[in-house]
Amino acid sequence: AQTVTQSQPEMSVQEAETVTLSCTYDTSESDYYLFWYKQPPSRQMILVIRQEAYKQQNATENRFSVNFQKAAKSFSLKISDSQLGDAAMYFCAYSNSGGYQKVTFGTGTKLQVIP
Amino acid sequence: DTGVSQDPRHKITKRGQNVTFRCDPISEHNRLYWYRQTLGQGPEFLTYFQNEAQLEKSRLLSDRFSAERPKGSFSTLEIQRTEQGDSAMYLCASSRGDRLGDTQYFGPGTRLTVL
Repeated sequence: AQTVTQSQPEMSVQEAETVTLSCTYDTSESDYYLFWYKQPPSRQMILVIRQEAYKQQNATENRFSVNFQKAAKSFSLKISDSQLGDAAMYFCAYSNSGGYQKVTFGTGTKLQVIP
Repeated sequence: DTGVSQDPRHKITKRGQNVTFRCDPISEHNRLYWYRQTLGQGPEFLTYFQNEAQLEKSRLLSDRFSAERPKGSFSTLEIQRTEQGDSAMYLCASSRGDRLGDTQYFGPGTRLTVL
């Protein structure tokens, strides 16, 4: 079974600075998808960024980028120029490429942005 | 595009009562997922629909849980004879289902409290 591990329960960053959230996963598959979701307090979960395992190029979305290390099974999220609105729980997630693509989530990292 | 909606947003019930939650996915999405999220944890997969067919159920989904998606539109999740351990946030997500690893869009969730 696939597992996703987020070893940082909480992180903090100064506004306008850069922060990196860590994620490791375990799978025997060669093709899969990885995601970072953001869940603000009392608000719904939204997708931040996704990465296809067959792509070597790291995904980027504006201030958000990932460092995908397939051999190490590592998938970290870098947030540049942090803003107060970035404060939220961040979940790393994994999905198989076949079947119905059940998503397996990590336990989350709570990000605090300090003004 | 009005997004995924869930009703009710909050439900308080007494142990032993039955409860039913509703999820309305994004209109053109043919895949629908139910997850359960407890405090401090990431969402855990419960079940999945492709149109009206329920194709997968997690071992987390005991016999007291039943889900339906008549006509492949909205879905309901019913919990019979609720227990205190059922207290959690129940999340619904939908996706287009037209490609592998397609993005799941989440609703705001229904928070269930069993007294």
